[in-house]
Amino acid sequence: QQQVKQSPQSLIVQKGGISIINCAYENTAFDYFPWYQQFPGKGPALLIAIRPDVSEKKEGRFTISFNKSAKQFSLHIMDSQPGDSATYFCAATSDRGSTLGRLYFGRGTQLTVWP
Amino acid sequence: NAGVTQTPKFQVLKTGQSMTLQCAQDMNHNSMYWYRQDPGMGLRLIYYSASEGTTDKGEVPNGYNVSRLNKREFSLRLESAAPSQTSVYFCASRDGSLAVKLFFGSGTQLSVL
Repeated sequence: QQQVKQSPQSLIVQKGGISIINCAYENTAFDYFPWYQQFPGKGPALLIAIRPDVSEKKEGRFTISFNKSAKQFSLHIMDSQPGDSATYFCAATSDRGSTLGRLYFGRGTQLTVWP
Repeated sequence: NAGVTQTPKFQVLKTGQSMTLQCAQDMNHNSMYWYRQDPGMGLRLIYYSASEGTTDKGEVPNGYNVSRLNKREFSLRLESAAPSQTSVYFCASRDGSLAVKLFFGSGTQLSVL
């Protein structure tokens, strides 16, 4: 059973456009939601993360939007650049209980930004 | 600052062969993880070690064993490799001060023929 569902599987955006990736979860024990970025031949790296006590978190061109009632969260990349072309993973975890220390990843979105 | 180091980077095995993937971190992290990455399947947890001396199964542990040799090193062993174990394997470690931040190695590309 997949704990975190991610869509779309692939995304093509023109330079300067907005990239949007969506994720959904079921387990209400999750209380921390990170996004990871992975370039070809490299391991994933933490990009940005959000707690459910806020509805939005912004770091530069990257924004997480969080909807606690719908159990959904999304990554928005504003002014997308060719250097943003990578695979993006959403994930969920908790600071306590049975999920302590475990990250549950979505299946990933391969983003291509055309110049 | 090396971070998380995995060896080897590439490996080809024949069905039934055994091998050990090595992982070491120099960040004094307590928790270490092994993931496999397959196209369209994302990152799936194989085993993890919350602290030195402990190991626990993840989502896909069958066919694998692990050893937390010391605080720095966490190895993954395939006793009898199968074609279904063809994958990219990532080791990661976590700083306990931030639950969501895993530090990943650069991966091992394993092919089982």
